[in-house]
Amino acid sequence: EVQLVQSGAEVKKPGESLRISCKGSGYSFTTYWIAWVRQMPGKGLEWMGIIYLGDSDTIYSPSFQGQVTISADKSISTAYLQWSSLKASDTAMYYCARHETLSAPVAVWGQGTTVTVSS
Amino acid sequence: QSVLTQPPSVSGAPGQRVTISCTGSSSNLGTGYDVHWYKQLPGTAPKLLISGNSNRPSGVPDRFSGSKSGTSASLAITGLQAEDEADYYCQSYDSSLSGNVVFGGGTKLTVL
Repeated sequence: EVQLVQSGAEVKKPGESLRISCKGSGYSFTTYWIAWVRQMPGKGLEWMGIIYLGDSDTIYSPSFQGQVTISADKSISTAYLQWSSLKASDTAMYYCARHETLSAPVAVWGQGTTVTVSS
Repeated sequence: QSVLTQPPSVSGAPGQRVTISCTGSSSNLGTGYDVHWYKQLPGTAPKLLISGNSNRPSGVPDRFSGSKSGTSASLAITGLQAEDEADYYCQSYDSSLSGNVVFGGGTKLTVL
C-alpha cells in the first residue's frame, strides 16, 4: 500500500526549533516529489514548497521562502520540514503530499502533523 | 488572497445539484494547466476528488464531475447527500510563480 506517514503532534515554545517528518512507503520514493502544505486553524490549504527526492531539487512558495527548510533523506524514504525559530503564527496542521510532477494532482497525502506554538 | 478564486460557501438541499467555481488567470488555468479538486472533511487530510479537470479517481461516485473552460473551472455535485458536506478545494499550476503550485481558498458546502 502506498502511504505517507507523518511524525506526531508537537507542542513548542516560540523561538524553539523543530523538524517534522514524512516517511513514504509502498512506492519508489526517489521518482516523486513531496510537497508540504499548511492549514492554519479554520483556514484553507497553502502550498509551502516541494522537494524532488531523486536529486533533492527544492522549490519554495514565495510566502514560505526563508521561513522554513525542506529536506529529505532518500536512504530512509523520508522528507522533512524544519523551522529554526518557531513563532506563534506557525501553529497549524502540516500535511505532506506526493506529486508525480508539479502540475499533477496529489493522490497520496500524509495524515497531517499538528504543530502548536505557545508560550 | 488566493491565486485561484472560489466562493467561500455554497449550500443545497439533499438531492439537489450544486456547483463550485474556481476562477484563475492566464498564467494558470488559461494557459492550459489542469485543475484538480479535493474534498476535505473536518480533521482529516484532503482527498483527491477530480484530477485533470474532469477525471474521477477510482472510488469517487459519478455524482461528482468537473469541467474547465478558459480561465475557469467548476465542480458539480448532483444528488446531494449529507456526507457531501465538507470543504472543497481546487488546485492547479501557475507559470508566473516560483512556487508554482496553487490552491483555491476553499468552499464550504453545507447540505441543508
